[in-house]
Amino acid sequence: NAGVTQTPKFQVLKTGQSMTLQCAQDMNHNSMYWYRQDPGMGLRLIYYSASEGTTDKGEVPNGYNVSRLNKREFSLRLESAAPSQTSVYFCASSVSNRESGYTFGSGTRLTVV
Amino acid sequence: KNEVEQSPQNLTAQEGEFITINCSYSVGISALHWLQQHPGGGIVSLFMLSSGKKKHGRLIATINIQEKHSSLHITASHPRDSAVYICAVRRSGGGADGLTFGKGTHLIIQP
Repeated sequence: NAGVTQTPKFQVLKTGQSMTLQCAQDMNHNSMYWYRQDPGMGLRLIYYSASEGTTDKGEVPNGYNVSRLNKREFSLRLESAAPSQTSVYFCASSVSNRESGYTFGSGTRLTVV
Repeated sequence: KNEVEQSPQNLTAQEGEFITINCSYSVGISALHWLQQHPGGGIVSLFMLSSGKKKHGRLIATINIQEKHSSLHITASHPRDSAVYICAVRRSGGGADGLTFGKGTHLIIQP
């Protein structure tokens, strides 16, 4: 089915370890986003990519890096994981204009111990 | 103060009841989104509004741009409607792309 695919679905890391969350969409969308969801808070934007070859910081970028590998793929990297990065991470994509809908991935539940 | 406020935070109702979830925002927007998140976590887009009203099945979404307020209504509610409903806005003008989210309304429909 067309949509946004995130991997992995679950991950446990030790403090200081690194990992990359993968996201791919097959809808030919220009814009892609990474959000985190924490209990009692709304989703917050980490990084986004308005088009292939560009990335920009969102509301909570510290501790993360991203790569827009091509139009389909947008990865999120934690270089040195911290317990504060325990969260559920969602990738999303949109066509890109200001009034287009969003498609979300199924989420990655990350625990840092 | 959060830029997107939802009410109520939690709502429990009986099957068949008419449900209203409210969303108020304090920034200029180009569009407002209503999303649904089921237990298990997946997020599904229900509506995108920039004016007026939209209907899909038993779901109705309205927006009043002047009052900076939107409502999501569910008619003839059913236990399968139990989920978290999230309001999100896309800001107008410049600045970071992406959505600004409310904290969500946790809805439980009892049989």
